[in-house]
This record gives sequence, C-alpha cells and structure tokens, in this order.
Amino acid sequence: DAGVTQSPTHLIKTRGQQVTLRCSPKSGHDTVSWYQQALGQGPQFIFQYYEEEERQRGNFPDRFSGHQFPNYSSELNVNALWLGDSALYLCASSLGFTSGRNTGELFFGEGSRLTVL
Amino acid sequence: SQQGEEDPQALSIQEGENATMNCSYKTSINNLQWYRQNSGRGLVHLILIRSNEREKHSGRLRVTLDTSKKSSSLLITASRAADTASYFCATDDRGSTLGRLYFGRGTQLTVWP
Repeated sequence: DAGVTQSPTHLIKTRGQQVTLRCSPKSGHDTVSWYQQALGQGPQFIFQYYEEEERQRGNFPDRFSGHQFPNYSSELNVNALWLGDSALYLCASSLGFTSGRNTGELFFGEGSRLTVL
Repeated sequence: SQQGEEDPQALSIQEGENATMNCSYKTSINNLQWYRQNSGRGLVHLILIRSNEREKHSGRLRVTLDTSKKSSSLLITASRAADTASYFCATDDRGSTLGRLYFGRGTQLTVWP
C-alpha cells in the first residue's frame, strides 16, 4: 500500500523563479492538502484540493497555486519566489469528508525541501 | 489565530523516563491530534482524541483533553532514544468539516541513552 509520495525531495531556486512540486496521495485517498513548514515552525496550511477544486485556502498570496488531477495527484506551484519561501513543503492526503469515512487523520509525505537563494 | 501552542519548546530526558508535553488552543474543536516528526522528515500521526473524550491510550502514549481549559497533554511512558523527535499538536475547526489542521510550533524531545 503506497503512502504519500512527493517530488522532488530537494531543490534550489533563485529569487524570481517559479517552482512546481508534485504529490501522489495514499492509495484510496481523494483529498490533498499542502502545508508549508519553515525552519523551527509548525506546518502552515496552504490549501486543500478535493474533486479537482480548491476547497479551502490558508493565508497565502496568489503566487501560490495548485491543481488536482483526475487520478487525485496534485501539484503546488509557486511563482516569483523570494527568500521567505524557503521551507519544507508537505503534502498530506485523506479521504474526502463527504465520503463519511474520513477519520480526521492526515497522512503526510516526506516533503520537498525548497531553498531560495 | 486558532493555532495550538506546545509547551515546553524543548524537553531533554533519559531513556526510561516519562515525557509529558502540553498543548493549548484557542477555539472550539471537533478533535485534537498529535503528530511526530523526525528531523526534516514528514509528519506521522500518533493519536486522535475527539472533543467528547477525556483520555485515550495507544501503546506507550496517553493523551488527555480538557475542553474547558482548551488544553491537551501527551505522555510518553518509558521513553526510548528512538522517541527523539518533534511532537506537534494539531486542532481542527469545530465550525468546519473540511479538515484543515492548525499546528503549533512543536516540542523538541531528546531522549538520551
């Protein structure tokens, strides 16, 4: 049973560039959430995708955008990178809340470590 | 902000001792969860306690929840060096069913052999 997989694991970008991070949810899960974790901080919610639509969004600028594909995998895009975007980006999957089978638990991937120089 | 706050920020103990971490939050919740994170890795779910529960056990873990004080504690008994990690509490939003979680800054636990 494959867990949540994320790619790439590490990447380095320069200010002003754009980045795309990818996530495949745990088998059987249909909801993907993205979190940003700065060094020494707890994860901060970016947004959540379900049925290929953004369902919830945290306090992040429009430079952060996402997409969910029919196979439930997801991408996180960040444009116009700046130094403050350096962080561990975590993808988490779960069952959709309308399924009646959601337990509240999130399953996290190992994250993508982004460094902006 | 609904973000939970863990206390202490760092905890250092010897193997075999018990470790207690506390979490406080600000708004009403459906449930509270504890997660563990090894350095720079993903988070692993440990335990979930619902707002109508007061205590829950899972192996060497014991979680309590006091909704009147908006606080929770995580007790790890007979700690091992492998328990060294950061521990986060996460709360949801009672007014929402969409599952967004609010994390605190975590407690860094170090268990010395």
